[in-house]
Amino acid sequence: GAVVSQHPSRVICKSGTSVKIECRSLDFQATTMFWYRQFPKQSLMLMATSNEGSKATYEQGVEKDKFLINHASLTLSTLTVTSAHPEDSSFYICSAPASPSVDTDTQYFGPGTRLTVL
Amino acid sequence: QKEVEQNSGPLSVPEGAIASLNCTYSDRGSQSFFWYRQYSGKSPELIMFIYSNGDKEDGRFTAQLNKASQYVSLLIRDSQPSDSATYLCAVKYRTGGFKTIFGAGTRLFVKA
Repeated sequence: GAVVSQHPSRVICKSGTSVKIECRSLDFQATTMFWYRQFPKQSLMLMATSNEGSKATYEQGVEKDKFLINHASLTLSTLTVTSAHPEDSSFYICSAPASPSVDTDTQYFGPGTRLTVL
Repeated sequence: QKEVEQNSGPLSVPEGAIASLNCTYSDRGSQSFFWYRQYSGKSPELIMFIYSNGDKEDGRFTAQLNKASQYVSLLIRDSQPSDSATYLCAVKYRTGGFKTIFGAGTRLFVKA
């Protein structure tokens, strides 16, 4: 099956620094990728939709200047958390659909990145 | 506001029993429905998807969809301790593109 990778799997950083998370589709092309955030004991919350060759679409309440998304190629999307603060500590997960135009299509999730901001 | 509601649990069942997980959704225009399993510290993994009213079976799992009641459920037969996880209900809908909304999940414990 399709595989999505994320790097790093875990990162600890100091408050005020920026952190970049990579999401790659390993054996298929993804013109669209999704970035989710999950706080402990809560569900996945969609942050933004990453679009290859165009700007990302952010969900309401998500600061686009704080969470920079770049969909550099058909297999790579990056999420940069700028000026990270402790409240940004969370589990960040990316996903890619095999075919975004199909209603019944499923998403392939990356393994997630655990961000801890001290 | 499109919502997906699940009982947070925990739901505790003995090994070998049937576990029943339920989910309701608010958007009548929703087209596709998914059940994911998530182990602690891991990302979700797909169990099943369903898009037509009725039942869909895959091994020990059966998904049930009732669009009139805006209700989808997952039955796990012969529950095993390894089934202990959080089960996420997800609903996909179209609004200027395709988005998937997740429920908060139900924690399932299968006691050996």
